[in-house]
Amino acid sequence: NAGVTQTPKFQVLKTGQSMTLQCAQDMNHEYMSWYRQDPGMGLRLIHYSVGAGITDQGEVPNGYNVSRSTTEDFPLRLLSAAPSQTSVYFCASSTGGNSGNTIYFGEGSWLTVV
Amino acid sequence: KNQVEQSPQSLIILEGKNCTLQCNYTVSPFSNLRWYKQDTGRGPVSLTIMTFSENTKSNGRYTATLDADTKQSSLHITASQLSDSASYICVVSFNFNKFYFGSGTKLNVKP
Repeated sequence: NAGVTQTPKFQVLKTGQSMTLQCAQDMNHEYMSWYRQDPGMGLRLIHYSVGAGITDQGEVPNGYNVSRSTTEDFPLRLLSAAPSQTSVYFCASSTGGNSGNTIYFGEGSWLTVV
Repeated sequence: KNQVEQSPQSLIILEGKNCTLQCNYTVSPFSNLRWYKQDTGRGPVSLTIMTFSENTKSNGRYTATLDADTKQSSLHITASQLSDSASYICVVSFNFNKFYFGSGTKLNVKP
């Protein structure tokens, strides 16, 4: 049982390049989400999904796209990277419908845009 | 505006000592409050989850308290160990899978 797996761990991009951060979970969780963590700030929600085929925007969605074709996978796409997107990105998953459910986080992806 | 404020921002204590971290929130309506531990370079890991009807929840040397009337929570760490050095994040939920994260308290336990 691997939990939540994120790849890559580290990535350097040039401004304007595109890339996809991968996230997979093997716990059959309905709810998956992407956060970014910047120094001195709490985690901020980028996009989330309550099930396969359903996605919605979070607090800071601009510059990012997501899709949820399967329960297991929830990739985050940066279409045209900007220096402001330099951050640490965390994918998370949890069961849906119960407010007391544990959120499981991946190990993070460190992204630098130069 | 829904907010979660944590204090102090950082804290240094000696190994073996106790400490208390604070979390104040304005999230409403309130569903549950969680404390997470985040080691440097790792993802957050859950310590406790409390609903509005719970006043206290323990997980080993970690004890969380909640006062839903004053919208305050604390995390008390007993007999600190070097491995407790980490950031501690308060997370407040106000409805189905909607969470607000505090910016964390960075704890440094020194030998």
